[in-house]
Amino acid sequence: DGGITQSPKYLFRKEGQNVTLSCEQNLNHDAMYWYRQDPGQGLRLIYYSQIVNDFQKGDIAEGYSVSREKKESFPLTVTSAQKNPTAFYLCASSIQGQNYEQYFGPGTRLTVT
Amino acid sequence: RKEVEQDPGPFNVPEGATVAFNCTYSNSASQSFFWYRQDCRKEPKLLMSVYSSGNEDGRFTAQLNRASQYISLLIRDSKLSDSATYLCVVISGSARQLTFGSGTQLTVLP
Repeated sequence: DGGITQSPKYLFRKEGQNVTLSCEQNLNHDAMYWYRQDPGQGLRLIYYSQIVNDFQKGDIAEGYSVSREKKESFPLTVTSAQKNPTAFYLCASSIQGQNYEQYFGPGTRLTVT
Repeated sequence: RKEVEQDPGPFNVPEGATVAFNCTYSNSASQSFFWYRQDCRKEPKLLMSVYSSGNEDGRFTAQLNRASQYISLLIRDSKLSDSATYLCVVISGSARQLTFGSGTQLTVLP
């Protein structure tokens, strides 16, 4: 089945540690995105990539880093510089120029204590 | 003013009721509009696009009012399975950036 996978579903880390969240898609989509969702709030864009080896900061990129070495993969690293990392992280992808419908992965719930 | 605003609800309605949500946006040059549905602790999924002329998909009707800068979602004959959070999405700007509303929570009661 085609789709987007994120792993793990739940992740627990100690404060001060970097952690990398995985996102893989086999939809052959060019564009990929990372969002963060906090309770009772909408999605906020962290980073996005429209093509391999290129990515752009979103609205809340501070404390995060990404890479896009392969079309299928867009991992997100939450660094120790991110002040409030506990959140629900969603990865999405879309076809460029196709009404921008975004397909989401199941998400990773990160808890940092 | 937020770029995209929604009434957070919650809306609690009985089965069979008709319910409507609005979503206002601040950028008059916004180009595209969508409604997504998000179940509790799950990822959002596209419910429907919103076209200028309005569009209908079964029990769901979406409308766009550019003059007043809002989109709406009407759900007729509500089912228990319609219980979810409904997110509006607006695409704006030369970079065609997506902006999500914070969502409206709907609970359909038996």
